[in-house]
Order: sequence, then structure tokens, then C-alpha cells
Amino acid sequence: GAVVSQHPSWVICKSGTSVKIECRSLDFQATTMFWYRQFPKQSLMLMATSNEGSKATYEQGVEKDKFLINHASLTLSTLTVTSAHPEDSSFYICSARGTGVHKYQPQHFGDGTRLSIL
Amino acid sequence: ILNVEQSPQSLHVQEGDSTNFTCSFPSSNFYALHWYRWETAKSPEALFVMTLNGDEKKKGRISATLNTKEGYSYLYIKGSQPEDSATYLCAFIKVMDSSYKLIFGSGTRLLVRP
Repeated sequence: GAVVSQHPSWVICKSGTSVKIECRSLDFQATTMFWYRQFPKQSLMLMATSNEGSKATYEQGVEKDKFLINHASLTLSTLTVTSAHPEDSSFYICSARGTGVHKYQPQHFGDGTRLSIL
Repeated sequence: ILNVEQSPQSLHVQEGDSTNFTCSFPSSNFYALHWYRWETAKSPEALFVMTLNGDEKKKGRISATLNTKEGYSYLYIKGSQPEDSATYLCAFIKVMDSSYKLIFGSGTRLLVRP
């Protein structure tokens, strides 16, 4: 089955540090990947849609200069939280949709990254 | 504002009990609804894709129904087992021009006691 690998699983770092999270589709090509964030007791919220070879589309209220997304290949998207602060502490999870797959088909998720900023 | 609501927030049942929970979503401009099962420390796993009003889908002891006119979907688990313990998420597909996005509910956390 389709597998998405997300790394790292857990990050603890000091305020002001930039953190990069990787999302890889291991056995399929993904033109489109999605980045979500989940705060405690809340639902998964879409942050941005990452398209291979083009700029990401950010949701309203998500700062594109704060959350840099790069989707340089059909199997890898990265999210960089720049100059992270404690309020950026959250659970970040990516998902991918295979190239050519109909839009109503389910997405394949990574395991998520727990980010804690001290 | 597009809201997807799930109830209850959490549910504790005894092994062997049957259970069900609800996902409510906007009834206008319906495209599709997903159900996912999310076990702790794992990735969400797709259970069902619901597209047509009146859809009923089944996978083993788990089934789901869809009413797009009134904007709800039910997930049923027959004879719950401890391995069914997980958070069950529903996600409404919002289509915009050539793109789409998933709007998630906050999930129902199910704990099945042996």
C-alpha cells in the first residue's frame, strides 16, 4: 500500500531555531502534498498545499515566510518552521495524494512530527 | 465558515458492545466524505470514501452510512474489540476551482475495555 514517511517524529529545540520536517512518499509519486497542524483537542487544520515544481498554496492566516514549503521532487516535500517560538509548538502532519489519483480518493498520511519549542 | 462536527468527543465501551458515532457537515455543495482511523503513534488510515446520498459501506465489523441531504454520516462498529481503540476522524472534501481540501472534524476517541 501507499506509504508516506515523515521525519523527524519529535523535535525539541530552543526558541529562535529553524526546524525542517520532511515528508516522503516511499512507493508512489505525489504531485500534491498537504501540511496540517493540530493543536491539543482541536482538529487537523490544513496549513498549505504543496505542489511539485511550483509555489505552495497557503491557507488564510498561515504566514508563508514563517512556514517555508519546498516540493522539489515528486517524492519529497519539506516544511521549515523558521525562527520557531513557543507558540509554534504543535503537532505537524503531512499527507500525499498520488499523481493522477482522483481528488475524492483518500490521502496517505505520515506519522506526524511533535514540535516543542522551549 | 465550514464546520465539520463529530460526536461524541470520546467513548468508552466494553469489549463486545456495538457502538456508533456521528459526523455532521454542510449539506450544500457536497462532493465526498472520508472516514479515517487514527491509532496512537501511527498515521491516519483511510476507512471509507462516501460519495453518494444513501451510501452504505462496510469493512469487516465497521460500516458507515451517508445522508447528504441532512448533512450527516454515521460510523458503526459491531462487537467492539480492544484493537478498535483509536480516534475516528471524518473529513469533508471542499472543492474550489481546480483544487480541493479536506476539512476535518475533531474526531471521536474510542476506548474499548477488555
